[in-house]
Amino acid sequence: DGGITQSPKYLFRKEGQNVTLSCEQNLNHDAMYWYRQDPGQGLRLIYYSQIVNDFQKGDIAEGYSVSREKKESFPLTVTSAQKNPTAFYLCASGAGDSYEQYFGPGTRLTVT
Amino acid sequence: GENVEQHPSTLSVQEGDSAVIKCTYSDSASNYFPWYKQELGKGPQLIIDIRSNVGEKKDQRIAVTLNKTAKHFSLHITETQPEDSAVYFCASYSSASKIIFGSGTRLSIRP
Repeated sequence: DGGITQSPKYLFRKEGQNVTLSCEQNLNHDAMYWYRQDPGQGLRLIYYSQIVNDFQKGDIAEGYSVSREKKESFPLTVTSAQKNPTAFYLCASGAGDSYEQYFGPGTRLTVT
Repeated sequence: GENVEQHPSTLSVQEGDSAVIKCTYSDSASNYFPWYKQELGKGPQLIIDIRSNVGEKKDQRIAVTLNKTAKHFSLHITETQPEDSAVYFCASYSSASKIIFGSGTRLSIRP
């Protein structure tokens, strides 16, 4: 069963805590992406990685960190420096030679 | 900065009628334009895409048109069905670092 998995589906944290969101893919895609979606808005790119051990900041990277130690995994850490962390987080992957992106089911993070 | 404007933000059509959603992009380097459908609580799903060397593309009831001169592209859904109800996003790609999404259109199909 190929695809992208994100876990957990819902995540609750207290303000001031770091939290790590999981993203795994078994599509053998080189590129992976993290987006943030706020109500009534489009997706905004947080970080992306086109190859293992390399990643670049997107438009809203402040307060977030990532790692890409394995091709199939691209975890996102929401740090306490992120001022407004409550949002729906989406992970995507794509073949390196194609623009097409395939999205996971998302993680809804609520920080109180 | 570069942006993608999407209209309308909400759209309600009678079942069986057509729905049209329009997007305008600003980055003249854009060369790939996908459309995504997002159902409640789920990730977006690619439904159709078009590249800048093509003016129109069809897939059954869904079509996308591109006017590169005017920097417009549109999604057309014909013979709408209840399962078409969702939020639709357009996007403009110029490179891996320039992936810009529209703000979304909530499409409702009235029975």
